[in-house]
Formats: sequence, C-alpha cells, structure tokens
Amino acid sequence: QKEVEQDPGPLSVPEGAIVSLNCTYSNSAFQYFMWYRQYSRKGPELLMYTYSSGNKEDGRFTAQVDKSSKYISLFIRDSQPSDSATYLCAMSYTGRRALTFGSGTRLQVQP
Amino acid sequence: GAVVSQHPSRVICKSGTSVKIECRSLDFQATTMFWYRQFPKQSLMLMATSNEGSKATYEQGVEKDKFLINHASLTLSTLTVTSAHPEDSSFYICSARIGSGEEQYFGPGTRLTVT
Repeated sequence: QKEVEQDPGPLSVPEGAIVSLNCTYSNSAFQYFMWYRQYSRKGPELLMYTYSSGNKEDGRFTAQVDKSSKYISLFIRDSQPSDSATYLCAMSYTGRRALTFGSGTRLQVQP
Repeated sequence: GAVVSQHPSRVICKSGTSVKIECRSLDFQATTMFWYRQFPKQSLMLMATSNEGSKATYEQGVEKDKFLINHASLTLSTLTVTSAHPEDSSFYICSARIGSGEEQYFGPGTRLTVT
C-alpha cells in the first residue's frame, strides 16, 4: 500500500465550478501538508502549506486537513481554464528527510 | 520570494557525454536541496538530497557515480549526468528548503534529451 493515495484523474469540469481534489494517507506521523500545482513541462509551484487540522484559505483555494481520517483536500472555487494543471499533494513530518508525494491529479477546466 | 532557478532549461547531448545542470536559490539560502526526476505523466521521483558542504544522500537505486551532485554553497547545487545514455533522457527538477522549514520550492526543471 502506498503511503499517499491520490486519484490520478483526469478530472474535467466547466469553468466556474468548484473543484475538490483529495489525498488519503496511511502514515499517522505526517504533520505537514502541501499542495503543489504543476503545469506541463514546468516545475511544481507551492500553492498551500498547512500543518494543523482544519481549513486554510488563500484566495480561491482552500486546503482542508482531517488528521483523524488521514485525509486532505484542496478546494478551488470559481475554477478558471488557467487552473488546468496537475495537482500534487505532498506531506512530511519532523525529521523526515524528504516529502512524500501523491501521484498527482490532472485537472482540466473547460471554458 | 523563494525563487529557485535552473539552467539550462533544455539540453540535448550525445550519448557518452556529460551534462551539468545548475540549481540556484535566488532570494534565500538553501541549506538543503533536492534533485528529482520525472517521467511523462508520472509523479516526482526523488534522486538525492544535498546539504551544503557535505556529500549528497542518494535514494536506493540511484547510481551516485553516474549522477554527481555538488552543493558547494548555500545558493547553488549542481547535478552532473556522466556518460549519458538515451535512457537518462528525462525531466530533472531541483527544489530547495529554507532553513528547517518542511515546504520545498521547486525550480522550473531541465529537459534532458540524450541522442
């Protein structure tokens, strides 16, 4: 079983829709949670970083962490065609040398 | 802030030659830098972790004599692919961490094609 599971998609939504992207994890030691956006042939861009259960909002993006269920989500409101990309969840804990990534979800926002 | 650059963005080389890729943190000092490899439509695969002034730590299965990593300063790490072969063709991405923070900031990537 992978430590982090993420639905690969692709997920296709119309412009303006609310998008929900999700990851589940099995290692209860994970404390720090990140969401990255990666456009084709580009490096990942850090969107959200959180380390506590609950919600964190930044513009159209909301990151949600439920440590009891080992489940994290990224919500995108009023989705735009420019949001079309692959979204990667990543997580870590103190002392762990590297991030553990999900496999990435491809999102397509149709104009 | 937290900008990471890579150079070159794209390189084509002949089989048997060596290629050096540079990763720089432009507006912060990076005590730890990471090198990843990514195949099309796949997630990132960590190759190695480098700390300034010390030897890199390679992931299992990554040949340290083939992928030479040098982290000579707090703003520069280099990856040298030695005696490149067509199977080394891939997208190489570096990232950097600020201090003891857990989040990583990624460079734009380097596309290597070995002919």
